[in-house]
Amino acid sequence: DQQVKQNSPSLSVQEGRISILNCDYTNSMFDYFLWYKKYPAEGPTFLISISSIKDKNEDGRFTVFLNKSAKHLSLHIVPSQPGDSAVYFCAASVGYNRLAFGKGNQVVVIP
Amino acid sequence: EPEVTQTPSHQVTQMGQEVILRCVPISNHLYFYWYRQILGQKVEFLVSFYNNEISEKSEIFDDQFSVERPDGSNFTLKIRSTKLEDSAMYFCASRRTDQETQYFGPGTRLLVL
Repeated sequence: DQQVKQNSPSLSVQEGRISILNCDYTNSMFDYFLWYKKYPAEGPTFLISISSIKDKNEDGRFTVFLNKSAKHLSLHIVPSQPGDSAVYFCAASVGYNRLAFGKGNQVVVIP
Repeated sequence: EPEVTQTPSHQVTQMGQEVILRCVPISNHLYFYWYRQILGQKVEFLVSFYNNEISEKSEIFDDQFSVERPDGSNFTLKIRSTKLEDSAMYFCASRRTDQETQYFGPGTRLLVL
């Protein structure tokens, strides 16, 4: 199942700089996209979402951009903080139904 | 802030045994989900549940799996005869009727020996 892909499995960034995570999808029926953050031994924690009728959604330090024509979305975290060190999952759904997840990106923020 | 809770946090079982994983969704949520993540792989959808019935299930969710809402608060996943390949983290999630966002529990780590 390759409907949602996250390449570059790990990312290291200096504290205070921008972290950019990318996600590609193949199913053009997806109309809702989410980012989750996961610490070891915990469940995924909802971070931010965007519906297909928008191209940008911002919540504090987190911004998600959606490019429907390219079937691509990205998550920007600025400024990055040490507490942001986690695995970030991109997920997508058709309607409010099952989520299809990417494999995740490990982010390490260096103090 | 309300959270999805899951018990047990860890379960070790012998192949062929039945296991029941328990979840307490957020109280005003009506849609419930089970996902699993095998080590090193993606989080995979298993089943969704609404109004006391399965609304969608994946190809993974075969006859060995069942779900139930035995009372007003619990949501359970039963695996009748566990296999080695059922070893995974199992996550429960829930959402409100009027919101798209699914909120996840901390997971149960199942190890089948």
